[in-house]
Amino acid sequence: KAGVTQTPRYLIKTRGQQVTLSCSPISGHRSVSWYQQTPGQGLQFLFEYFSETQRNKGNFPGRFSGRQFSNSRSEMNVSTLELGDSALYLCASSLAVAVDTDTQYFGPGTRLTVL
Amino acid sequence: AQKITQTQPGMFVQEKEAVTLDCTYDTSDPSYGLFWYKQPSSGEMIFLIYQGSYDQQNATEGRYSLNFQKARKSANLVISASQLGDSAMYFCAMREPSSAGNMLTFGGGTRLMVKP
Repeated sequence: KAGVTQTPRYLIKTRGQQVTLSCSPISGHRSVSWYQQTPGQGLQFLFEYFSETQRNKGNFPGRFSGRQFSNSRSEMNVSTLELGDSALYLCASSLAVAVDTDTQYFGPGTRLTVL
Repeated sequence: AQKITQTQPGMFVQEKEAVTLDCTYDTSDPSYGLFWYKQPSSGEMIFLIYQGSYDQQNATEGRYSLNFQKARKSANLVISASQLGDSAMYFCAMREPSSAGNMLTFGGGTRLMVKP
């Protein structure tokens, strides 16, 4: 079974631009979560989508948004990019059948550099 | 307050020896899950092991075991017979049911370096 895939793997943008990152979950997984990883802040939860609905959101500004499609694929968008948005963005998927034992499996990440 | 604390920023271990990576957590929920992930330099987070708060036995997965001490709120990862490929960042994470959905809270990580 294929793992979580993320595209693109690397991205360079300039301040003020917007960017869209894509995540394809493991087949059969219904939940997709996004995380931002930076050297200063570590790993931080952005949001989770389940059945095309945002189920939970982390403490990030409204410039960060996402969506999930009917096939569980997810995209996240960052508008008006700032230098501080440079990070590794990780997507994780899970079955979301039993909350207690649900395990998230991560993709390889998209490394975003904002110049 | 930090919910997940990993006090060892970096550690060395000799190849073939065992190593323990520390993790303490803080939660008032009686039901929670604890996870360990490995992150090689490539960036991908690899799931290693899971421990539920109600599990009576310590979790084991191959060379990985979790030393779960609930009263002390610690969930240390033990890697037996270290291999060079074990060199990576290791993250402890927790999911609390009081947070809706699947949100994981991560510790700061421990960089493990295996010496030949």
